[in-house]
Parts: sequence; structure tokens; C-alpha cells
Amino acid sequence: GIQVEQSPPDLILQEGANSTLRCNFSDSVNNLQWFHQNPWGQLINLFYIPSGTKQNGRLSATTVATERYSLLYISSSQTTDSGVYFCAVGEGGSQGNLIFGKGTKLSVKP
Amino acid sequence: SAVISQKPSRDICQRGTSLTIQCQVDSQVTMMFWYRQQPGQSLTLIATANQGSEATYESGFVIDKFPISRPNLTFSTLTVSNMSPEDSSIYLCSVDRGLAGGPLSSYNEQFFGPGTRLTVL
Repeated sequence: GIQVEQSPPDLILQEGANSTLRCNFSDSVNNLQWFHQNPWGQLINLFYIPSGTKQNGRLSATTVATERYSLLYISSSQTTDSGVYFCAVGEGGSQGNLIFGKGTKLSVKP
Repeated sequence: SAVISQKPSRDICQRGTSLTIQCQVDSQVTMMFWYRQQPGQSLTLIATANQGSEATYESGFVIDKFPISRPNLTFSTLTVSNMSPEDSSIYLCSVDRGLAGGPLSSYNEQFFGPGTRLTVL
């Protein structure tokens, strides 16, 4: 099956700093989503981005499907950005379920 | 986006007992999924639940341990049977945004419920 690798596994930032999270996947995908899991365990949808570029406030994401990677940019980080960021992909021909990477744990210090 | 609720939000259970987790969606959806997240780990798919058919289980998960019901297009349950401490996890349901009755697709955005945090003593 498809493999999803996220980097870095852990990231510590000072408030106000910018960061880039990366997601590599091993095969063609028809779905790619970025999630933020808050300290209470809730998964928050950030982007649905199987290809192209999207922006939402301080967050933006780019997926280059032909090169099998996606990037999540966080600008001017805030302490509330802390948590785990997951990349998840859906394989073509699958039932629609998502395959998750191991996540990037982000800690933003005041 | 879909509004998804789960009950219970958390529970502490004794070894050998069973717990049924409910997932309710505010609109009719074709595809519902159940995931497990063990402590400090990523999410792993348990099974896919379509209305009117048997759930499809992933490798390593069996129906006797995780029976699933999908009686209609807005509701599903997952039971964790004969629990052991290794079952302590967050259990999450998710739905595909695709409309019920529409074509099945892996192209649709998925949304997750708030999760059920289970601790087995």
C-alpha cells in the first residue's frame, strides 16, 4: 500500500516564527488532506488539497502531485498552533479511506 | 462541512467488558469510517461501514472484536468487545462528504467526529 512520510517529526518554534511541514507519498493519490489535532484530540480540517495551492489566513498548502509531496506553511506562528499536524492521503481505487502519516508535533513557545 | 457527534466522549472500562460507541451525522452520507489512534500514534483505519452491507475490515481487525452496525445513512456504531488495556485508544468516526446515492469516490473531503477516549483498566 501507499506510504506517507512526514517531516520533521518534532518542531519547536518561538512565537512569531514561520515553518514548513512536508508530506511525501509513495504513489498517486486522489485525495490529500492536512489536519491539526488539538490537545483534546479533535481533528481539525485544514486543507483538502490533492493538487495546487491554497491559503487560509496564516496557513497555506501546496501539493505537487507529479512529484508526490505536499507542503504546509505556517506563518507568524502562535501558541494556539501547537499540536500535531497530520497529512493523510486517499489512494485511487480505494474505498475512500485515508492513510495517515505519523504526524509532526509542533510546539510554539511564547 | 458535516457535523459529526460521538458518544460517549470518554469512558473508563474494566477488562473483559464491551463498549459501544455511537457516531451521528447531520446529513445522509454514503461512506462512514472508523479509526483507532493508540497513545502517541497516528490514526489507523479499523473498517469501512456502508449502509445496507457488511462492514469491510482492515488487516488486523476482526468483526468479533470490533462489530459495526450501519442501520441508516446518518448513524453507525462501533463496539469494542472483550476489552484489554491494549484497547486503550481514541476511536474516531469519519464521513466522506459525498452525498448519499451519489457515486462512490475517493475524491471527497473527509470530516472527523470529536473522538471517544477509551481507557481500559
